[in-house]
Amino acid sequence: EAGVTQFPSHSVIEKGQTVTLRCDPISGHDNLYWYRRVMGKEIKFLLHFVKESKQDESGMPNNRFLAERTGGTYSTLKVQPAELEDSGVYFCASSGGKNIQYFGAGTRLSVL
Amino acid sequence: GQSLEQPSEVTAVEGAIVQINCTYQTSGFYGLSWYQQHDGGAPTFLSYNALDGLEETGRFSSFLSRSDSYGYLLLQELQMKDSASYFCAVRDRRGGKLIFGQGTELSVKP
Repeated sequence: EAGVTQFPSHSVIEKGQTVTLRCDPISGHDNLYWYRRVMGKEIKFLLHFVKESKQDESGMPNNRFLAERTGGTYSTLKVQPAELEDSGVYFCASSGGKNIQYFGAGTRLSVL
Repeated sequence: GQSLEQPSEVTAVEGAIVQINCTYQTSGFYGLSWYQQHDGGAPTFLSYNALDGLEETGRFSSFLSRSDSYGYLLLQELQMKDSASYFCAVRDRRGGKLIFGQGTELSVKP
């Protein structure tokens, strides 16, 4: 069984540009979560999908961040326009309803 | 606010036993999880406690005391490959988000 996959693994962009991160959850997992770790800080929650619906988006920093999960399968997280403080590692996790969230390897985003 | 406290660094030698503590203060509690992360890669699930007591999985054990808002991860027979970051995380409601501690960097020395 394939795990959670994220693409790209690294992204370097300039301030003001747009970046789209993608997450493919484990097949059959209805719950999909986005998290972010900024350098030296803890992993912080961004939002939670149940199938294609946003269950909780309380962690989204501002309206420059847009997450979608069309069809309830893969998800994208778009940052537009990117700012310097958006740099960090973006993790995606999925869960099949049990008490375990399975994480992807993350996308390391550097905004210059 | 919601917070989890764990030591930032722990050092131990091969073959030893180490305990990583975690105290939490959250608005809701639906279980304490532990994750391991090597070199900034994917956090890997280690254990989950919803009820008080000890859960054992091989060389790793995890303990929870809900009345004390406290838990720990116990690693026995330490190996060099156990050098990694360890995170405690609380789920604030059923199926909800994880709230993470800042992570403990474990260094295992020969």
